[in-house]
Amino acid sequence: NAGVTQTPKFQVLKTGQSMTLQCAQDMNHNSMYWYRQDPGMGLRLIYYSASEGTTDKGEVPNGYNVSRLNKREFSLRLESAAPSQTSVYFCASSSGTGEFFGPGTRLTVL
Amino acid sequence: KQEVTQIPAALSVPEGENLVLNCSFTDSAIYNLQWFRQDPGKGLTSLLLIQSSQREQTSGRLNASLDKSSGRSTLYIAASQPGDSATYLCAVEDSGAGSYQLTFGKGTKLSVIP
Repeated sequence: NAGVTQTPKFQVLKTGQSMTLQCAQDMNHNSMYWYRQDPGMGLRLIYYSASEGTTDKGEVPNGYNVSRLNKREFSLRLESAAPSQTSVYFCASSSGTGEFFGPGTRLTVL
Repeated sequence: KQEVTQIPAALSVPEGENLVLNCSFTDSAIYNLQWFRQDPGKGLTSLLLIQSSQREQTSGRLNASLDKSSGRSTLYIAASQPGDSATYLCAVEDSGAGSYQLTFGKGTKLSVIP
């Protein structure tokens, strides 16, 4: 039982490049989330998926897209990376009895 | 909009001391409240979850209380150890339909000095 897994762990991009962050959970949770964490700003919700086939914007969705591929997987895509997207990205899942987080992806955009 | 505040932002205590971390929230219509621990460079680890109908939860040396009416929660750590050094985050899940979104505080960074 791996919980929530994320890939990659680290990534460096140049401005304008694109990439997809992958997330998977094996706890059969309906809801999945993407957050970013920045110094002094705390954790902010980017997008969430209440159930398979649905996605909704969170607090800071601009510059991102998501795909809920199936119940297990929820990916986050940066189409044209900007330095302001340098951050640590966390994926989480829940079933209404608490949220469980992945280890994070540290992204640097130069 | 729900806002979560954690005071103090940082705390340093000698080993063995009992301590309390505070969390306050502006909208009392919550579904539950969760305390997390985050070690440097790591993800969040769930410590305790208190449902809105509960007053407290305990796990080992940790005890979390919830007072919905006053919009407050406390995390009590007994007999602190250097291994307790981490950032502690409080998060509330609002009531109502939806996907159980959490609103986080900015955390309290705890240092336990040997």
